[in-house]
Amino acid sequence: DAKTTQPPSMDCAEGRAANLPCNHSTISGNEYVYWYRQIHSQGPQYIIHGLKNNETNEMASLIITEDRKSSTLILPHATLRDTAVYYCIVRVAMDNAGNMLTFGGGTRLMVKP
Amino acid sequence: DGGITQSPKYLFRKEGQNVTLSCEQNLNHDAMYWYRQDPGQGLRLIYYSQIVNDFQKGDIAEGYSVSREKKESFPLTVTSAQKNPTAFYLCASSPAGYSYEQYFGPGTRLTVT
Repeated sequence: DAKTTQPPSMDCAEGRAANLPCNHSTISGNEYVYWYRQIHSQGPQYIIHGLKNNETNEMASLIITEDRKSSTLILPHATLRDTAVYYCIVRVAMDNAGNMLTFGGGTRLMVKP
Repeated sequence: DGGITQSPKYLFRKEGQNVTLSCEQNLNHDAMYWYRQDPGQGLRLIYYSQIVNDFQKGDIAEGYSVSREKKESFPLTVTSAQKNPTAFYLCASSPAGYSYEQYFGPGTRLTVT
């Protein structure tokens, strides 16, 4: 599995866009980029995933560079409820060995009023 | 509303007692998972199941047991053989077989004294 690198923490003003970067320079061709977040004392929440094209859903947008060595998760209008630890992971889409979600350090996003 | 429910949210037990944690989903997902999370740590996979009446051990299955008699339900029993059962237990499901696009329940915090 490709290793990911994220900044340990970021601040964002409420209502502004939060741009969370992730480096994954060793990503292989069949590996997807997944983003999760975990709010304190709650279960992780799936946000979005992509292979090489940019993706958007009701929660966020995912921008993947052309060489796929890095990506950015964009929360377009951050709210206080978006304060959480955000995890970027790189995995193949599916395998029959059982998919264990292992989160690294992640980025602690603090949205401030 | 579709989702995953876990009950109870907090559970207290005496050492030596077996305890069963409930996990129900109405998302029509095939695969279900149980994870354990210790304070400040990532997730560790206990058991996973792709179809009814079939399940596989994850990395830390010792001292735990599961059943999958219905697609919607995947209860986890923490037995007295589990050496350090106090933890936050998370159930998840995924829509298309084994996948890293997993949707989590709110978790059960088990304390054994």
